Amino acid sequence: NAGVTQTPKFQVLKTGQSMTLQCAQDMNHNSMYWYRQDPGMGLRLIYYSASEGTTDKGEVPNGYNVSRLNKREFSLRLESAAPSQTSVYFCASSDRPGGGDEKLFFGSGTQLSVL
Amino acid sequence: EDQVTQSPEALRLQEGESSSLNCSYTVSGLRGLFWYRQDPGKGPEFLFTLYSAGEEKEKERLKATLTKKESFLHITAPKPEDSATYLCAVPYSGGGADGLTFGKGTHLIIQP
Repeated sequence: NAGVTQTPKFQVLKTGQSMTLQCAQDMNHNSMYWYRQDPGMGLRLIYYSASEGTTDKGEVPNGYNVSRLNKREFSLRLESAAPSQTSVYFCASSDRPGGGDEKLFFGSGTQLSVL
Repeated sequence: EDQVTQSPEALRLQEGESSSLNCSYTVSGLRGLFWYRQDPGKGPEFLFTLYSAGEEKEKERLKATLTKKESFLHITAPKPEDSATYLCAVPYSGGGADGLTFGKGTHLIIQP
């Protein structure tokens, strides 16, 4: 049972380059999320998707775009990477979207460095 | 405005030395208080959900409790394998966002 799978695990970019972080879940969850984690800042929500075909901004969406490709896959795109986007990115999915009980299942993360 | 505040930021204990981690929250109409464990280089792993004041949940050496303003994660006779960062979280309230808002975590080290 793979759960939530993220690729790549590590990535180094130069300022201005673009890239897409991939996420897939095999638990048939409706909701998926992208978080970033920075030292001293904790986990912060970038974007989420409550169901296939919908996406919404979270706490820190600037500089990012997302695509909910199908129920399983939710990708995060950096169009023009900046050093401030150096972070560890986590994808998560939920089996109880909305109404409380948002128990999240997380992937193992992507460590991104922007030089 | 922070909705979830954890203390201490870091805690070093000897093996077998019991202690508690604190999570205070300021949301109204709580729809769950979540505890997660995060090991280095990995994503957070779910531990507990608490819904109402007075509720308690246990898992091995961990017990989570909830009051109207805070939650405690009690660690009894910890072992080195309990070393991790412990995160608490609550559902986003207002602003329309879904998902959880997390505290900054308590980094726990258990020395043998």
